Amino acid sequence: GEDVEQSLFLSVREGDSSVINCTYTDSSSTYLYWYKQEPGAGLQLLTYIFSNMDMKQDQRLTVLLNKKDKHLSLRIADTQTGDSAIYFCAESRLGGGFKTIFGAGTRLFVKA
Amino acid sequence: SAVISQKPSRDICQRGTSLTIQCQVDSQVTMMFWYRQQPGQSLTLIATANQGSEATYESGFVIDKFPISRPNLTFSTLTVSNMSPEDSSIYLCSADGRDPPYEQYFGPGTRLTVT
Repeated sequence: GEDVEQSLFLSVREGDSSVINCTYTDSSSTYLYWYKQEPGAGLQLLTYIFSNMDMKQDQRLTVLLNKKDKHLSLRIADTQTGDSAIYFCAESRLGGGFKTIFGAGTRLFVKA
Repeated sequence: SAVISQKPSRDICQRGTSLTIQCQVDSQVTMMFWYRQQPGQSLTLIATANQGSEATYESGFVIDKFPISRPNLTFSTLTVSNMSPEDSSIYLCSADGRDPPYEQYFGPGTRLTVT
């Protein structure tokens, strides 16, 4: 199928690490993305990883990619209340036109 | 990068009427997309709009209900026709980046309520 799957909710305490998981189906995906959507706003690219990489670190963000299991994760270190948002996993597909497939989004709640 | 604006930001409409949503990009882009997002839910792609050709609609969406225009490389409109309460949703416009990693740039969305 075409699904990108992720859990719908995650609740963490301020200062803890958050880990959001995602599974995808297309092994030929070139890029995998994490988008962030804050209340009342559109999606904004948070980070991405190229398919030939296993890990990417960007300040508090760590992206892990397991191509064998088609599993992508986003770790947010020292989670802050401002990180509360919906996080969408997405994969790019080429062939028949470029297409981005989005997951359902994980709503992250950060408790002070 | 691209900055996308949408008008209106929100509207309340009566059933049976139509609403046209405008999407403006601050640079030329090849592909533009229209999504629907129910509150608390994921994005559903309605159609892809390329300049100079008819929009390509996803399964479950038809041109008569959601006509789309794409008159140039920086602008597109989506019309929601003959609205019913089931059309109440957030409508998002986006555009593809030209360069790797080909991210999508999103507008802030139009929140539509049909009464």
